[in-house]
Amino acid sequence: SAVISQKPSRDICQRGTSLTIQCQVDSQVTMMFWYRQQPGQSLTLIATANQGSEATYESGFVIDKFPISRPNLTFSTLTVSNMSPEDSSIYLCSVGGAWSYNEQFFGPGTRLTVL
Amino acid sequence: AQKVTQAQTEISVVEKEDVTLDCVYETRDTTYYLFWYKQPPSGELVFLIRRNSFDEQNEISGRYSWNFQKSTSSFNFTITASQVVDSAVYFCALSERGHFGNEKLTFGTGTRLTIIP
Repeated sequence: SAVISQKPSRDICQRGTSLTIQCQVDSQVTMMFWYRQQPGQSLTLIATANQGSEATYESGFVIDKFPISRPNLTFSTLTVSNMSPEDSSIYLCSVGGAWSYNEQFFGPGTRLTVL
Repeated sequence: AQKVTQAQTEISVVEKEDVTLDCVYETRDTTYYLFWYKQPPSGELVFLIRRNSFDEQNEISGRYSWNFQKSTSSFNFTITASQVVDSAVYFCALSERGHFGNEKLTFGTGTRLTIIP
């Protein structure tokens, strides 16, 4: 299994600013995933971050808005840029996957509120 | 494109009753995985089960059981003798192998289960 931590756990930000969310895993993993969960909604994959290559973004998400870094096999960051109230969500980091592990592990999430 | 449908938005049952959460999926792949996750009010996602597309045996784990029927593309989840601690949002999810071997989970919209004491 994998233990995932995220920082910050929650934040309240002003419109137009940016926030960088950190994800740390206790073991080396090839793929890391970033998901968004808008209030009362399901989870949506933002992007897949492979170490040593550019992140792969899902439809509706762009690098300028959600730049991702993946400097090593245990760490990744997601930045939410030029925030608006619509970006208020829980952002979750995830590792693993059905083909590599028996489950996909999720971090505790970062609860973001944009005023 | 893959899709997961959880038609039940909210369910309320009295404690000790049995409850079944429905999940229907769509995929073009012959190999895929299905998951159930629980999200209690605290917000973390708790893994419940993973099932591959070639294993249609039903599974039981304590008060939890899962019924996978490939013919109807359904993967339903039953809680027997429900307890207040079972109150949460439950998500069904489908994993396919995307391009370049990347995996992605597609989640259903979730079912909010409330157990009334």
